[in-house]
Amino acid sequence: DGGITQSPKYLFRKEGQNVTLSCEQNLNHDAMYWYRQDPGQGLRLIYYSQIVNDFQKGDIAEGYSVSREKKESFPLTVTSAQKNPTAFYLCASRMGGRGPQHFGDGTRLSIL
Amino acid sequence: GEDVEQSLFLSVREGDSSVINCTYTDSSSTYLYWYKQEPGAGLQLLTYIFSNMDMKQDQRLTVLLNKKDKHLSLRIADTQTGDSAIYFCAESGEYGNKLVFGAGTILRVKS
Repeated sequence: DGGITQSPKYLFRKEGQNVTLSCEQNLNHDAMYWYRQDPGQGLRLIYYSQIVNDFQKGDIAEGYSVSREKKESFPLTVTSAQKNPTAFYLCASRMGGRGPQHFGDGTRLSIL
Repeated sequence: GEDVEQSLFLSVREGDSSVINCTYTDSSSTYLYWYKQEPGAGLQLLTYIFSNMDMKQDQRLTVLLNKKDKHLSLRIADTQTGDSAIYFCAESGEYGNKLVFGAGTILRVKS
C-alpha cells in the first residue's frame, strides 16, 4: 500500500542530545513537509522540500535541520538548540503542482 | 499575516447534522481544506475546495465557501460516533506549499 511512514511513533530525548525523526513515502510525491503540533494549536511548518537536494525554512525552523538526499526520504533532526522540543511532529507529502498535502501518523517527542 | 480561526468545540447527538465553521483572513487563498485528526493519529484529508467554487459535496460531507465573507463551513450529515475527532480548517495559496491551519474544532458525538 502506498503511504507515508513516520518512525519511531514515540521518541525520548535527553538534554543536550540531537534526535532524528524519520519520514519515508512511496507515493512518488515530489514535495515533503515537516510540521509541529502543540496541544490546542494548529500545525506550524518547520521545513519543506520541493525537490531532491533542496529545502526551505518554514515559520519555526530554528533548532531543527533537514536533508533531502532521496525523493522518498525527508528526515528531521531536532537539535539541542531547540529548547522546547516536546511536541507531536507530522510529516506530509504531495505531488508537484497543486495537489493537497497528505500526512503520516506522526512522532511524539518527549524530554527525559 | 494570514490567520485561520475556528470554534473550539461542538457537541451533537448521533444522527444529527454537524456544522463546523472557519474564517480566514488571506484574500489570496486559493485552496481551502478540511482535515480530520483522531486521537494520537496524523491528519486525514477529508475534502478541499478551490476558491472559485461555492460548494462541494462528497457523500455525507458538504463544504460551503463564502469568499466575500472569507467563511468556510463543513457540514457532516447523519453524524456518527466515529466522526468524533478534531477537525482542522486550512488554507493555502496557489502552489499549496504553505498551509495555514486553524487551531482545530473538537467534535463530540453523543449516542
